Amino acid sequence: GAGVSQTPSNKVTEKGKYVELRCDPISGHTALYWYRQSLGQGPEFLIYFQGTGAADDSGLPNDRFFAVRPEGSVSTLKIQRTERGDSAVYLCASSSNGLTGLSTDTQYFGPGTRLTVL
Amino acid sequence: GQQLNQSPQSMFIQEGEDVSMNCTSSSIFNTWLWYKQDPGEGPVLLIALYKAGELTSNGRLTAQFGITRKDSFLNISASIPSDVGIYFCAGLQGGSEKLVFGKGMKLTVNP
Repeated sequence: GAGVSQTPSNKVTEKGKYVELRCDPISGHTALYWYRQSLGQGPEFLIYFQGTGAADDSGLPNDRFFAVRPEGSVSTLKIQRTERGDSAVYLCASSSNGLTGLSTDTQYFGPGTRLTVL
Repeated sequence: GQQLNQSPQSMFIQEGEDVSMNCTSSSIFNTWLWYKQDPGEGPVLLIALYKAGELTSNGRLTAQFGITRKDSFLNISASIPSDVGIYFCAGLQGGSEKLVFGKGMKLTVNP
């Protein structure tokens, strides 16, 4: 596809359940990012992948959150034992090579997955 | 997590008016970015600034990267109804891939 796609667009789950959120980056983009956006706030960084490896996971709030990108394209954000405070829009973005070093590179965001934990 | 100080939080203007918003930080950023987000969509990049003092335009949008590298402003001239949305500033520190965002400014344009 032409842009970053995310599935599902909406996910409602119960407290304590496990969820997986998927991101399909722009084809050929090596850098992939996950952000979390709470209501009325700006996006907050969670994790950055360069290829298959997580180069920076310092934004993951705790060990219930985990993300993978096994083949260097699609990524899955996994949340275990969901809590009501996990409710937010989870945004994925990709860029061709990463933002540092190449001043003209840009992050392209997907539409997000709205997660609601009841 | 860290967030930039963005102001104002919201603005209500008449079509045709100009609007300005700014962003400040206690830390230095090497890159400043301005995004617009529509409901149900991800942020879309409007303008990117890479050098302190840089003034850049994109159509009716003008943005500046502050000399101290701790602030930036965005100006929209002659607003139109489709300018409605939430505008975010974002900064990137040296050697980092982590974008730090402001809380956003919600713009309403009355026709």
